[in-house]
Amino acid sequence: QSVLTQPPSVSGAPGQRVTISCTGSSSNIGAGNDVHWYQQLPGTAPKLLVYVNANRPSGVPDRFSGSKSGTSASLVISGLQAEDESDYYCQSYDSSLGGSMVFGGGTRLTVL
Amino acid sequence: QVQLVQSGTEVKKPGASVKVSCKASGYTFINHGMHWVRQAPGQRLEWMGWINPGTGNIKYSQKFQGRVTITRDTSATTAFMELSSLRSEDTAVYYCARDRFTSQFVMDVWGKGTTVTVSS
Repeated sequence: QSVLTQPPSVSGAPGQRVTISCTGSSSNIGAGNDVHWYQQLPGTAPKLLVYVNANRPSGVPDRFSGSKSGTSASLVISGLQAEDESDYYCQSYDSSLGGSMVFGGGTRLTVL
Repeated sequence: QVQLVQSGTEVKKPGASVKVSCKASGYTFINHGMHWVRQAPGQRLEWMGWINPGTGNIKYSQKFQGRVTITRDTSATTAFMELSSLRSEDTAVYYCARDRFTSQFVMDVWGKGTTVTVSS
């Protein structure tokens, strides 16, 4: 089954900026399907962070921004804070195998 | 406030079935789709299926087709997910998650999760 590929881990110091990539294929992101991002703190349910590529739900700081180009998408976190330490997942729709939502493998962000 | 309250922890033997409920409140139940997503220990999130509570339309992931049944009770504003023929690999936390609309396939509110353990 098609999946989205994310780096297993990224890190940065407080105040810095980090980028988390999400690489897909022609059956998901490359087919024009939107990308969404979720934050999952340890032991808790995921929380919607960015939807439809670049939109933030109310309450999500503007330090979080998303973009999409071609078969990939990115989540940028600026002005890193200790509470940003979490797992981040990208998600899109994949039109192969009957159509399905697919998630990336997740990226663990460590704030140094 | 918008809330999804899931049923409690389950322990099942291989070959059994499990049915997880998700009680919605704080919004109009039939106006938003409901997804089911699971996460095995240390693994990625995995989408299982979706239901439109208003119409009853359902879509399942091919991986779970034939083993999963998603239903809803609109009078009780509750969605259900039943997984049959359980095996050890089905040990996971199962989440219900509300769609932003009926089928935008963006999940904006999540339940806290239901832990299902499959063990002999």
